[in-house]
Amino acid sequence: EIVMTQSPATLSVSPGERATLSCRASQSVDSDLAWYQHKPGQAPRLLIYDVSTRATGVPARFSGSGSGTEFTLAISSLQSEDFAVYYCQHYNNWPPLTFGGGTKVELK
Amino acid sequence: QVQLVESGGGVVQPGRSLRLSCAASGFTFSRYGMHWVRQAPGKGLEWVAVISYDGTNKYYGDSVKGRFTVSRDNSKNTLYLQTNSLRAEDTAVYYCAKDVNYGFGYFDYWGQGTLVTVSS
Repeated sequence: EIVMTQSPATLSVSPGERATLSCRASQSVDSDLAWYQHKPGQAPRLLIYDVSTRATGVPARFSGSGSGTEFTLAISSLQSEDFAVYYCQHYNNWPPLTFGGGTKVELK
Repeated sequence: QVQLVESGGGVVQPGRSLRLSCAASGFTFSRYGMHWVRQAPGKGLEWVAVISYDGTNKYYGDSVKGRFTVSRDNSKNTLYLQTNSLRAEDTAVYYCAKDVNYGFGYFDYWGQGTLVTVSS
């Protein structure tokens, strides 16, 4: 099983600032990496797939990068609606599919 | 627009069973793999199971293997999860999620979830 580790667990950011979230895989997942945004009481939302491709309707302030085992989600200028929990997930050589533990982006 | 609506959650005693349903609309259900993902209180997301577009292939996470069964009825555009021998650690919100294709392994649409509470 591929273990996904996210850091930090909590990120305190002011609106307008840049946020950088990290995700590490226990072994290479090639480019089979997705990011989701999850707000309380809502369905999770696909943001990024294949490391860096934005899903339909996702604003350009969200960007993904990385390869192999190290990945990053960046939010260039945080908006109020971006405060949420973010999860990375691999889909390389599955099952099983696994998620990182999540990073909560909160208001500073 | 794509809609996934889960139902069937509730409070159940340990060792008992529950069947969850996910009604799909807004896309050709029979062409896509479908997944169940859960989130225990205060925890992250955990993949539970997947079923192929035609129901012939099914895979499960280790924590539910042998106790949960995923199925689908393409004539009713509905996904199911039969949960047996429930344990306290199965308490979670259960989401159904649509695969982006027949089985790429990531999800472009999710439902709002249904809460299962296992408690005596």
